[in-house]
Amino acid sequence: DGGITQSPKYLFRKEGQNVTLSCEQNLNHDAMYWYRQDPGQGLRLIYYSQIVNDFQKGDIAEGYSVSREKKESFPLTVTSAQKNPTAFYLCASNPDESNQPQHFGDGTRLSIL
Amino acid sequence: RKEVEQDPGPFNVPEGATVAFNCTYSNSASQSFFWYRQDCRKEPKLLMSVYSSGNEDGRFTAQLNRASQYISLLIRDSKLSDSATYLCVVTLYQKVTFGTGTKLQVIP
Repeated sequence: DGGITQSPKYLFRKEGQNVTLSCEQNLNHDAMYWYRQDPGQGLRLIYYSQIVNDFQKGDIAEGYSVSREKKESFPLTVTSAQKNPTAFYLCASNPDESNQPQHFGDGTRLSIL
Repeated sequence: RKEVEQDPGPFNVPEGATVAFNCTYSNSASQSFFWYRQDCRKEPKLLMSVYSSGNEDGRFTAQLNRASQYISLLIRDSKLSDSATYLCVVTLYQKVTFGTGTKLQVIP
C-alpha cells in the first residue's frame, strides 16, 4: 500500500544533541512538508519542499534543518539550537497541485531527557 | 485576524444528535478547502474536501460559503466514534493553513 512512513514513533533527545526524524513516501508526490504540533494547539509549518534539492522555510524553521536529496525522502533534523523541541512532529505530502489535500504520516513524538 | 479560525469547543453532544461546526478564513482568494479529523495523539486524516456546491459523504455534509468566507461541517446521527478534533484546512497555491481544530465529544 502507498503511504508515508515516519520513524521513529518515539524519540528522546539529550540536551545539546541533534536528532534526525525520518519521513519516506511512496506516493510519488512532489511536495513534502514538516509540521510541529504542541498539546492543544494547531499544526505549525517548519519546512516544505516542492521538488528535489529545493526546500523553503515555514513559519517556525529556526533550530531545524532539512534535506531533499530524493523525491521519496524528506528528513528533518532537530538541532541543539531548538530550545523547546518537545512536540509531535508530522510529515505530510501531496502532489504539487494546489487543489490536492495533504496526506500525513503517523508522526514522531520527540521528548527531552 | 487569524487566517483560519475555528471555535475550539468542546462540543458535547448526545449520541444521535446533529452537530455543525464552522470555520472562517480571511483570504478571499483561497482556493481549496478540506476537513480533517484528528484523534488524540494521532495524525490528521482527511475527512472530506469542500466544494462550492456542497458535498455529502454518508452522515457528513460540507459546505463552502465564499461570500461570507466560511466553511461548515454537519454531522448527522452522531456516533461515539465521531469523538475527535475536526480541523479545517484552507489552501492558496502551495500555502496550506490549518485551523486549530474543534473538539467534539459524543456522549452515550
